[in-house]
Amino acid sequence: DVKVTQSSRYLVKRTGEKVFLECVQDMDHENMFWYRQDPGLGLRLIYFSYDVKMKEKGDIPEGYSVSREKKERFSLILESASTNQTSMYLCASSRSNEKLFFGSGTQLSVL
Amino acid sequence: GQNIDQPTEMTATEGAIVQINCTYQTSGFNGLFWYQQHAGEAPTFLSYNVLDGLEEKGRFSSFLSRSKGYSYLLLKELQMKDSASYLCAVRDTGGFKTIFGAGTRLFVKA
Repeated sequence: DVKVTQSSRYLVKRTGEKVFLECVQDMDHENMFWYRQDPGLGLRLIYFSYDVKMKEKGDIPEGYSVSREKKERFSLILESASTNQTSMYLCASSRSNEKLFFGSGTQLSVL
Repeated sequence: GQNIDQPTEMTATEGAIVQINCTYQTSGFNGLFWYQQHAGEAPTFLSYNVLDGLEEKGRFSSFLSRSKGYSYLLLKELQMKDSASYLCAVRDTGGFKTIFGAGTRLFVKA
C-alpha cells in the first residue's frame, strides 16, 4: 500500500522555537509538496520540490524553509515559530503530471 | 492572479444527486482535480479532467469547460458516507504546482 508518512500527528511548540516537520514517501515520486490548511482558506502551497536538493517557493513561503537531501524525504522547517503558523500541515507527493498523494497531516499549535 | 471559487457548504438528501460547482482563473492550466476530504483525514483523489467534457467514475462524474473556466463534480445516489469536503484544484502549466480552492463541505442528511 502506497504511503506518505508525516512524523507527528499533533505538535505543540513555543513561540520562537525551531520546528521540523518530516515527511517520507515510499512511492519513488519525483515531486513533493508542503501545504498548510486553514478553515475558510483551503490548502495553500508553501514549498515544493521536483528533485533531490531542488526546491521552489509556493504561494506562502515566508517564515518557512525546506530540505530535500534524499528523494523519499522532504522536511519543512519553521526557523522561529510564530502563533500565526498554527495550522494543519499536509505533505504530498506525486509523479510529474499525476495526482497528489497526501500524508495524514500534522496539527501544529504554536503557543 | 489565481483564484478558484466553490461554494462553502451544501446540504443534500441521501439517495439524491448533488452538483458542486467550481470556477477558476489561473495563470496556466494543465488539468483540474477533485479531491475528497473527510473530517480529520487527508484529501484523497476523486477525478481528473484535462480536456473538455464529462468523466464518469461510478457514482461520481466530473465536467470541465476550459473556455469558461468551469468545472463541476456530480455525485449520484448520495450516501451518508459522502458527507465530506470536496476540493477543486488546478495544476499549472509547468506540471508541478497544484492550487486548491477553499473546499465545499457537503452534508448528507437522511
